[in-house]
Amino acid sequence: DTGVSQDPRHKITKRGQNVTFRCDPISEHNRLYWYRQTLGQGPEFLTYFQNEAQLEKSRLLSDRFSAERPKGSFSTLEIQRTEQGDSAMYLCASSVAETQYFGPGTRLLVL
Amino acid sequence: DQQVKQNSPSLSVQEGRISILNCDYTNSMFDYFLWYKKYPAEGPTFLISISSIKDKNEDGRFTVFLNKSAKHLSLHIVPSQPGDSAVYFCAPSSSGTYKYIFGTGTRLKVLA
Repeated sequence: DTGVSQDPRHKITKRGQNVTFRCDPISEHNRLYWYRQTLGQGPEFLTYFQNEAQLEKSRLLSDRFSAERPKGSFSTLEIQRTEQGDSAMYLCASSVAETQYFGPGTRLLVL
Repeated sequence: DQQVKQNSPSLSVQEGRISILNCDYTNSMFDYFLWYKKYPAEGPTFLISISSIKDKNEDGRFTVFLNKSAKHLSLHIVPSQPGDSAVYFCAPSSSGTYKYIFGTGTRLKVLA
């Protein structure tokens, strides 16, 4: 039984570049979530999918951010024109009921 | 406006003793509560949950207590072990939203 996986685990990029992260949820989990965590804070909700439908987006998710889950399985989170303030840990979680199970995260550093 | 507060940034406890981690919330619509443990460079790991219809839930060494009138919950770990050293987050949610609001976490250090 594999857990939630995320790729890459680490990403260093220059300001202005685009980055894309991938999340593979636990099999059969129909709900998928993206969170962002910065130093000293708890994870902050970004967006949520039920199957392929994106049902909620946080105000934190600016127009530079886009998330997809095209076939209701894996998901991608893209950040366009990255800024230094985007540096954070990006966490993906999945669930079939109330409990969300998290992946190891992708740590992004924007120089 | 913080809806979820974990007012103790850190806590040190001797091995074998009880660890008590506290969490306060302001939104009366919260009705499901999760606790997560997080090690450095890893994602949060689910520990235990409680629904608002209960005031206590126990799983091995971990017990969560919920006081709805005070909008307060606590996580008890007994006996504490060095491997419990991590950051602990409480995360409440409202029915049907599937969106959890995380506190800022409490760093627990269990001393051998």
